[in-house]
Amino acid sequence: SAVISQKPSRDICQRGTSLTIQCQVDSQVTMMFWYRQQPGQSLTLIATANQGSEATYESGFVIDKFPISRPNLTFSTLTVSNMSPEDSSIYLCSGGGQATYEQYFGPGTRLTVT
Amino acid sequence: GENVEQHPSTLSVQEGDSAVIKCTYSDSASNYFPWYKQELGKGPQLIIDIRSNVGEKKDQRIAVTLNKTAKHFSLHITETQPEDSAVYFCASKETNAGKSTFGDGTTLTVKP
Repeated sequence: SAVISQKPSRDICQRGTSLTIQCQVDSQVTMMFWYRQQPGQSLTLIATANQGSEATYESGFVIDKFPISRPNLTFSTLTVSNMSPEDSSIYLCSGGGQATYEQYFGPGTRLTVT
Repeated sequence: GENVEQHPSTLSVQEGDSAVIKCTYSDSASNYFPWYKQELGKGPQLIIDIRSNVGEKKDQRIAVTLNKTAKHFSLHITETQPEDSAVYFCASKETNAGKSTFGDGTTLTVKP
């Protein structure tokens, strides 16, 4: 299994600002993902973070709004840019091996935009 | 793309009773089916999974069954305890694609 940590665990931000969320995995994983989860809702995939190349974004999510970095096999960042109250949500980092099936989640970052 | 439907959305049982949550998927290429438990304020935790070459898997009080022909799989929790109360998500994955598709979740409440 993999243990995933995220920083910060929560933040309150003003609209128009940006927040970068860090994700650290305790072992090398082939794949890392970023999800958004509204309270009481399911998980919505934002993008797949690719090591050394541009992330692969899902429909409705764009790089200018959610730039992602993945410099190595254990670390990734997600930036929420030019925030509005609609960006208030829980952001979850996830990692796993493409060939090993299992996917593990971090504890989440609870973001409130005022 | 893949579509996963999960039922029921809420489930309330008495302590000691069994709980069953069902999911259906649409993509016949899906070959891995995990279940996650999410407690309040925490990230989803992988609790059990099943691969397409297996029909059933058990781990103590929890079990998962898979019917590939009908494209559905179920989570069974026996002898439920209050600490089983949480939101449960099913998911499906076609491993070559890498990413999982999640159901909408089931809120399980176990009454003492």
